[in-house]
Amino acid sequence: DAGVIQSPRHEVTEMGQEVTLRCKPISGHNSLFWYRQTMMRGLELLIYFNNNVPIDDSGMPEDRFSAKMPNASFSTLKIQPSEPRDSAVYFCASSLDVGDTQYFGPGTRLTVL
Amino acid sequence: GENVEQHPSTLSVQEGDSAVIKCTYSDSASNYFPWYKQELGKGPQLIIDIRSNVGEKKDQRIAVTLNKTAKHFSLHITETQPEDSAVYFCAAISPGGSYIPTFGRGTSLIVHP
Repeated sequence: DAGVIQSPRHEVTEMGQEVTLRCKPISGHNSLFWYRQTMMRGLELLIYFNNNVPIDDSGMPEDRFSAKMPNASFSTLKIQPSEPRDSAVYFCASSLDVGDTQYFGPGTRLTVL
Repeated sequence: GENVEQHPSTLSVQEGDSAVIKCTYSDSASNYFPWYKQELGKGPQLIIDIRSNVGEKKDQRIAVTLNKTAKHFSLHITETQPEDSAVYFCAAISPGGSYIPTFGRGTSLIVHP
């Protein structure tokens, strides 16, 4: 099994630009999670989907952040416009169902200059 | 909601020694406790987990213990090796928290050869 796939692995952009992070969950998994990891705040849950439907987006920091899951094999996290404080590592994880073991992708390291 | 405290934040041991990482949780309804290992530049990976109906689980050099009364659980690594060096995260999952894991802040384990 290929595991959770994320792209790009690294992204460097300038303040004000739009950033799109992509995730392909493990085939057959019904739940998908987006996390942000920083030294200051640790691992934070941003949003999660179950059966492609957003269930809880209370962790999304601002309206600049949005996430979609158009089908069972693809999700995006978009930041528009990006700001330097958005610099972090963003992880996608998937699980068979909510509450089951989560499997994390390799992450996208975002740097906003 | 659930609150998970993890200690210590950093742990330095000599190769061959044992390492113990401790976590406490606040929600007595939590019933699933996974541990993740995060190596540099990678996403967290599940290494062992325990459910509330057992007190201990072992997998080769790694073991996890759970004390439901005291609401704490611990990760034990014996005969540590340099490749055990990583950041370790504990998590607790509760039905009251919609089965979403609450993560500890992580422990950076350094094993000196």
